[in-house]
Amino acid sequence: DIQMTQSPSTLSASVGDRVTITCRASQSISSWLAWYQQKPGKAPKLLIYKASALESGVPSRFSGSGSGTEFTLIISSLQSDDLATYYCQQYNSFPYTFGQGTKLAIK
Amino acid sequence: EVKLLESGGGLVQPGGSLRLSCAASGFTFSSHAMNWVRQAPGKGLEWVSLISGSGSGTYCADSVKDRFTISRDNAKNMLYLQVSSLRVEDTAVYFCARAPIGSYYYFDLWGRGTLVTVSS
Repeated sequence: DIQMTQSPSTLSASVGDRVTITCRASQSISSWLAWYQQKPGKAPKLLIYKASALESGVPSRFSGSGSGTEFTLIISSLQSDDLATYYCQQYNSFPYTFGQGTKLAIK
Repeated sequence: EVKLLESGGGLVQPGGSLRLSCAASGFTFSSHAMNWVRQAPGKGLEWVSLISGSGSGTYCADSVKDRFTISRDNAKNMLYLQVSSLRVEDTAVYFCARAPIGSYYYFDLWGRGTLVTVSS
């Protein structure tokens, strides 16, 4: 199975900050990576697919990059509504696997 | 409105069974592969199983193989997960999640989830 490792596990930032979350795969997954946002008590929501493609309706302050084994999710200017846990997911091969999550708190 | 609505969760004893259901609406159900993804209390996401749009192809995680069976009824716009031989570690919120049209890959629409609690 492909292991996905996110860092950091928790992150505290202020409104307006640039936030970077990293996801590393245990083997190359090309660009077959998605990012999700999960707010407390809610279902996950797709933000980014194919490593850098922004899902329709997602604010442009979210962006993704990377290929192979290292990927990043960037929030260019943090908003209070971005309080959530963020997950990466590989879909290069079965079983699909997720990172352990990055919990983002607003200072 | 495009949505997924799960049902069928509840409290069950170890070794027991349940059938989880997911009602789809607002889109052409048969054009999409569908998935079940679970989340144990306070934990991360775990992909469980996928079924193709036609229902002819299925995949599942090793952790549930031979115990969980995914199926669908395209005439009724329904997705199912038959869960059996349940273990305490199967306790989780079970989400149904849609794959984009024409692919198996990621999950572009999620339901709110249904909670399965396995306990004696």
